[in-house]
Amino acid sequence: AQSVAQPEDQVNVAEGNPLTVKCTYSVSGNPYLFWYVQYPNRGLQFLLKYITGDNLVKGSYGFEAEFNKSQTSFHLKKPSALVSDSALYFCAVQGQDSGAGSYQLTFGKGTKLSVIP
Amino acid sequence: GAVVSQHPSWVICKSGTSVKIECRSLDFQATTMFWYRQFPKQSLMLMATSNEGSKATYEQGVEKDKFLINHASLTLSTLTVTSAHPEDSSFYICSARGGLQTRQETQYFGPGTRLLVL
Repeated sequence: AQSVAQPEDQVNVAEGNPLTVKCTYSVSGNPYLFWYVQYPNRGLQFLLKYITGDNLVKGSYGFEAEFNKSQTSFHLKKPSALVSDSALYFCAVQGQDSGAGSYQLTFGKGTKLSVIP
Repeated sequence: GAVVSQHPSWVICKSGTSVKIECRSLDFQATTMFWYRQFPKQSLMLMATSNEGSKATYEQGVEKDKFLINHASLTLSTLTVTSAHPEDSSFYICSARGGLQTRQETQYFGPGTRLLVL
């Protein structure tokens, strides 16, 4: 069974400082990893994904994530945080086919990011 | 990125009534659609997966007769909550994935529907 852990329920960072949101995963085979962001009362917006290739993946809104196979981690990073980045962030892993090519996503519990002006 | 819409965004209904939520992929054909439920301050719980033209596959513990899912076309899926009760109140989010049924395809999410059953 696959799983995702986001060890921090909340991360606080000052505006302009770098931010990191942590994620570790467990999956058999090669991991396909995703980050999504959710604003209040909204659905999830896709930020970036790792499939294969370069371990550093660049995504939307200046976010990037680093895949580390030995540490089974996929931490989300941004060099300079904005107040508008305050939201709920979900890490997800996509596992093997569960039938009919569905390839379900398994989500972490989410990390609330608060950027303080 | 691809756009997924949901309608309605909010719905309030009386206990015992049925509510239908629509999910549409606006600029791509969704071969697979997913329905999730999210409780306050919690992660998403997958309810069911549907492929166009096929019956939905429900997750363990999700009542098929309670949550009817129809994926009649490549751009539309509907979730009907039948005989809704207050415990069905939640935030329902749909997701769609297009293209080939491979792991590389990204899932795109709708904005969600807030259901309140009185």
